[in-house]
Amino acid sequence: EAQVTQNPRYLITVTGKKLTVTCSQNMNHEYMSWYRQDPGLGLRQIYYSMNVEVTDKGDVPEGYKVSRKEKRNFPLILESPSPNQTSLYFCASSLWGSDEQFFGPGTRLTVL
Amino acid sequence: GENVEQHPSTLSVQEGDSAVIKCTYSDSASNYFPWYKQELGKRPQLIIDIRSNVGEKKDQRIAVTLNKTAKHFSLHITETQPEDSAVYFCAAIAAGTASKLTFGTGTRLQVTL
Repeated sequence: EAQVTQNPRYLITVTGKKLTVTCSQNMNHEYMSWYRQDPGLGLRQIYYSMNVEVTDKGDVPEGYKVSRKEKRNFPLILESPSPNQTSLYFCASSLWGSDEQFFGPGTRLTVL
Repeated sequence: GENVEQHPSTLSVQEGDSAVIKCTYSDSASNYFPWYKQELGKRPQLIIDIRSNVGEKKDQRIAVTLNKTAKHFSLHITETQPEDSAVYFCAAIAAGTASKLTFGTGTRLQVTL
């Protein structure tokens, strides 16, 4: 089944404790992206990647890192999480040349 | 960069009535306009999209219209049903922005019996 997966789905952590949220897609998509969703703000792009080893900042990149060592994986790294990073995170992917993006199931992160 | 505004933020309609959600965008280079439906606790799901070379697109009870001159696009849902209750997001992608989706802030649609 073609899909985008994220892990973990729920995470409660404390300020400063490094964490990684994984994202994987099995559709051989070149483009992958991370969004955060906050009430009243919609979804905002954090980082995106156009292909392996090619990443770039979105609208709200501060406090986040990403890597794209393999085509299927695009992990989101929070080196020192803070409470203002409490949010719902979505990974998405699309085929190069197609604008339709497929979303993962989301990761609800709480930073205490 | 692109800015997308969406109205209303909440909309309540009776079952069977029509619902209209409106969005405006700022970047005249935007050429792709998807609409996503997000049910509670779920991921956004694409329900319909339109490209800038088309003025209207329909898919059963949903339709999207685009006015490039005025830079606005709208989602129309006819004969609403309780299962249409969800949050709807409009979005835009500007040409040359590497598929960067800029979202509106969402509309919570409630269809009442």
